[in-house]
Amino acid sequence: KAGVTQTPRYLIKTRGQQVTLSCSPISGHRSVSWYQQTPGQGLQFLFEYFSETQRNKGNFPGRFSGRQFSNSRSEMNVSTLELGDSALYLCASSLDLGSNQPQHFGDGTRLSIL
Amino acid sequence: DQQVKQNSPSLSVQEGRISILNCDYTNSMFDYFLWYKKYPAEGPTFLISISSIKDKNEDGRFTVFLNKSAKHLSLHIVPSQPGDSAVYFCAASLDYGGATNKLIFGTGTLLAVQP
Repeated sequence: KAGVTQTPRYLIKTRGQQVTLSCSPISGHRSVSWYQQTPGQGLQFLFEYFSETQRNKGNFPGRFSGRQFSNSRSEMNVSTLELGDSALYLCASSLDLGSNQPQHFGDGTRLSIL
Repeated sequence: DQQVKQNSPSLSVQEGRISILNCDYTNSMFDYFLWYKKYPAEGPTFLISISSIKDKNEDGRFTVFLNKSAKHLSLHIVPSQPGDSAVYFCAASLDYGGATNKLIFGTGTLLAVQP
C-alpha cells in the first residue's frame, strides 16, 4: 500500500515568489493535515482538510492557504515568500477525523528561500 | 505559547539499557497523546499513543506512561537498540468529539543509542 506522497521533495525559491506544494494521501484516507517544521520549533499545525473542506487552521498568516480535491489530494500555497518560510513542510493523512485515527506522514517538501 | 514541551533536546543511552523520553504539557483538556519517531530526510512515524483516561499503554519494547496530575508523560524503550536512534516527538490533541485531527507537537528529543 503506497504511503503519503509529497512533491516536490526539494524546492528553492526567492523572496516574493509563490509556491505550491502537493500531497497525495494514502488511498482511502479522507483527512489531510499540513505541518511546518523549523529548527527548534517542532511541528507547527498549518491546516487540515476533510471532504474538500478546511476544518481547522493554525496560527499562520493569510499568505498560507490550501485546498483539497474530490480525490482527497491536497495542495498548499504560500504567496509572497519570506526568508522565514524556509522549512520542511509535512503532510499527514488519516482515514477519518478524531484523535484516535493514526496520522501517516509523508517525507515532506524541503523549501529553501534565498 | 508552547503547550507541549520536551525539555531535553538530546539523550544518549547504551545499547540494551532503558531510554526514557519525557514530555510535559500545560493544557489539561488534551484528551489524547502520541509519540512519533523521525529519521533524517523522512517523515515522522507513529509509535504509540495513550488516551487521557489511561495511565499506561504498552506495545512491545515501547511503553508510554501518563501522569495527569503532573501533566507529564514519558516514553520508555526497553531494551534500547541502535536502530532506535532518531528524533522523538511528543504530541497532544484536543479531539472535540472527533471534529479534528490537529496535533500539537513538542520540539523533539534526539535519542542516540550507543552500540
